[in-house]
Amino acid sequence: DIQMTQSPSSLSASVGDKITITCRASQSIGSYLNWYQQKTGKAPKLLIYAASTLQSGAPSRFSGSGSGTDFTLTINSLQPEDFATYYCHQTYGAWTFGQGTNVEVK
Amino acid sequence: QVQLVQSGVEVKKPGASVKVSCKASSYTFRNYSIIWVRQAPGQGLEWMGWISGYSGDTNYAQKLQGRVTLTTDTSTNTAYMDLRSLRSDDTAVYYCARGAVVVPAAGKNYYALDVWGQGTTVTVS
Repeated sequence: DIQMTQSPSSLSASVGDKITITCRASQSIGSYLNWYQQKTGKAPKLLIYAASTLQSGAPSRFSGSGSGTDFTLTINSLQPEDFATYYCHQTYGAWTFGQGTNVEVK
Repeated sequence: QVQLVQSGVEVKKPGASVKVSCKASSYTFRNYSIIWVRQAPGQGLEWMGWISGYSGDTNYAQKLQGRVTLTTDTSTNTAYMDLRSLRSDDTAVYYCARGAVVVPAAGKNYYALDVWGQGTTVTVS
């Protein structure tokens, strides 16, 4: 299986900050990479698909980039509702998720 | 609006089976796959498998092969996940999600999980 490794596992940030989360695949996956946001007790929500395309309805402060093995999710000007856990998800091989990155209030 | 509604909380003993349902509404069921994902307490997301809403073809995570069966009933637009020989480490929230082709591509489409059910808590104890 393709392993997805996110870093950091958690980060502390303040409203207005710009943050970046990294996801690395154990082998090349092209752009077959999605990002989800999950709030406590809720189902995940799709943010970015195909590495860099913003899902309809997702705020434009979210952006994704990368291809091959290295990907990033960036949140410009963090908002109070953005404190959550973020997961990357590859659909190139047998589907797998990263272990998650918890974004918490500093 | 497009919705996936799952069945309620389950409490099972080790060795038993559980069947979780996922009823779709407000979209053409046959045009999408249904994917099952689980999340153990305090842990990340684990892909379990998918089933085509059109053909019923399935693909399972290797770890669960032989214990999990995914089915659909196209007459009621409902998907089912059946997990057997339950163990304590199967305790989790189980989600169904709609698998959408977000970018058609020759050879290999791009998929994403664009609609999720509310989750079903399964406790094995």
